[in-house]
Amino acid sequence: AQSVTQLDSHVSVSEGTPVLLRCNYSSSYSPSLFWYVQHPNKGLQLLLKYTSAATLVKGINGFEAEFKKSETSFHLTKPSAHMSDAAEYFCVVSDPLGTGRRALTFGSGTRLQVQP
Amino acid sequence: GAGVSQTPSNKVTEKGKYVELRCDPISGHTALYWYRQSLGQGPEFLIYFQGTGAADDSGLPNDRFFAVRPEGSVSTLKIQRTERGDSAVYLCASSPMTGTEQFFGPGTRLTVL
Repeated sequence: AQSVTQLDSHVSVSEGTPVLLRCNYSSSYSPSLFWYVQHPNKGLQLLLKYTSAATLVKGINGFEAEFKKSETSFHLTKPSAHMSDAAEYFCVVSDPLGTGRRALTFGSGTRLQVQP
Repeated sequence: GAGVSQTPSNKVTEKGKYVELRCDPISGHTALYWYRQSLGQGPEFLIYFQGTGAADDSGLPNDRFFAVRPEGSVSTLKIQRTERGDSAVYLCASSPMTGTEQFFGPGTRLTVL
């Protein structure tokens, strides 16, 4: 069985300051890991994905995440928050691409608030 | 190009009624997924189609839920005898082939009164 735990349900930062959204995973395999963002009344959008290549993954809009197997973590970071980053962020795990169960397993989400 | 579309965007029904939710995947995508997102939670997997067949329906909560994809494109999620606990946003996603990135639609918000 696989699962993800998002350690913070809500994070508030000031515009221009760094963002850190924490995620720990549990998987029987070497997993594929994703971060999705959900803006109000919008569909889920893929920010970035890790699929066993480089452990530091760069995504859209300046976000990046580092896969740390020893810590079973996949934290999402951004050097400088922008007002438009305010949204719900989901850490997601799946079996390695091309194997196992196809479904995505989502964390419970972290709501990012950006203060002016 | 066009993304995944879902209709209706909102559906309000009464307890005990039957509802159908429709998903139009991205053209050419062979894999299609349904998820359910309850308030304050992450989406939860319901069912996955590869082509016309349901390859994994292990997430369907009970036999009131059923989904079809008769021609390998559009899919319909069907809920019989709706209950208040079925109220949620139902999300559809598609991918070019099994195991690749999933593209999500905007969802259908179902409210059962």
